[in-house]
Formats: sequence, C-alpha cells, structure tokens
Amino acid sequence: DTAVSQTPKYLVTQMGNDKSIKCEQNLGHDTMYWYKQDSKKFLKIMFSYNNKELIINETVPNRFSPKSPDKAHLNLHINSLELGDSAVYFCASSQDRGDGYTFGSGTRLTVV
Amino acid sequence: AQSVAQPEDQVNVAEGNPLTVKCTYSVSGNPYLFWYVQYPNRGLQFLLKYITGDNLVKGSYGFEAEFNKSQTSFHLKKPSALVSDSALYFCAVKRGGATNKLIFGTGTLLAVQP
Repeated sequence: DTAVSQTPKYLVTQMGNDKSIKCEQNLGHDTMYWYKQDSKKFLKIMFSYNNKELIINETVPNRFSPKSPDKAHLNLHINSLELGDSAVYFCASSQDRGDGYTFGSGTRLTVV
Repeated sequence: AQSVAQPEDQVNVAEGNPLTVKCTYSVSGNPYLFWYVQYPNRGLQFLLKYITGDNLVKGSYGFEAEFNKSQTSFHLKKPSALVSDSALYFCAVKRGGATNKLIFGTGTLLAVQP
C-alpha cells in the first residue's frame, strides 16, 4: 500500500485553466504539506495543514488554494494556471515535530 | 529565520571510495536535521535524522551523518560508494518546538563512477 499517494502523476494543461491535484495518506499522520520543486530542483514549502487546520501558508499566489476535507487528505486547487506554475508538486505528511516527512511521488504539472 | 546551505552542486566519486556531501545550517534554538535522497522522477526518500543524542547518526543504505554544533554542519557520509548511490541529495532543517516547517537545501547531485 502506498503511504502518500498523489493523483494525477502527470498533468498537462493550457494557460488559464483550473486544475486540482489530490493527495491522500494512509499513515494516520496529523500533518500534511504541499511543496513545489522547480526546474532547478529547489524545494519550497507552500502549505501545511494539521488536522484539517491551515498552519503554514507561505507567500503563494491566491490562485493556489489548498483544501483538507479530513486529516488524511490534502488537495491543491490552482486557478488560472500560468506558465510559471509548471513544476513538480509534492505532497508529504508527518506525525510529530521530531519526525521526518513521508513524501508522495510527485505530480509533474506542465502548463502550455 | 532558518536556512540550509549545500555548497556543492555536484560531487563526483569513484565506486568504492568514501563520499561526503556537505551541509551547513542556520537556525535559532535546537535544530532537527534530516537527509533525503531523490532518484530521477521519484519522490524524496528519508535517509536519516538528528534530533538529539549521539552526534553520529546512522541511516538507510549505509549512510551516516555527523552533527557538529560548533561548525553548524551535518555532513552526509558513506565509507564506500556504490554506483546505485547516484542521486540528488537534500539536507533539511526545522526548528525544534516550532511549527513543523522543513526547510530544504538546494540539493547536491552525487555521481558515482564505476
């Protein structure tokens, strides 16, 4: 069983479209995250939810909106996609402060 | 603010030789330090962590790292490199007792030549 699963794995879409990426974890962790990895492989945190509550919201355009229906799911919705949104988006989860994160395999978003 | 520096974009080593991937950090308070590995087109895999205790921590695949508080470093090491170790390695830090925000370094590409 995959611990942190993201769908879709690949997403190619046109500028201006709205798209969603889904993430689910079956580890029973309380906290989930979204990270963006750009073309230079830099990893930057975007959002974090703890038990459905938003606790980290980095400087991210308003077009990005996370939603956590329950603590096992954290979805990312992106409105009005731009070319610069092209990246790999990683979902992750953790249990407590001393833990490392468990990452999903990523969603490669390409905006054309 | 917390930050992580990985001064080498790439490290080249011959198979069988020891390897070191460098990492220095800046954080107020006690740091929680991590190493992750990323293989091509894959997610990040946890290698090891330092929270407290022994400065030398051992992790997956024969890797280890040494926490040096005076030098604010957490270098990743392996006594004998394998070609299959070739991947992108990330050092990461978060503050103990604060919100769970893990900050990553820029990554170091390890290339092990046969």
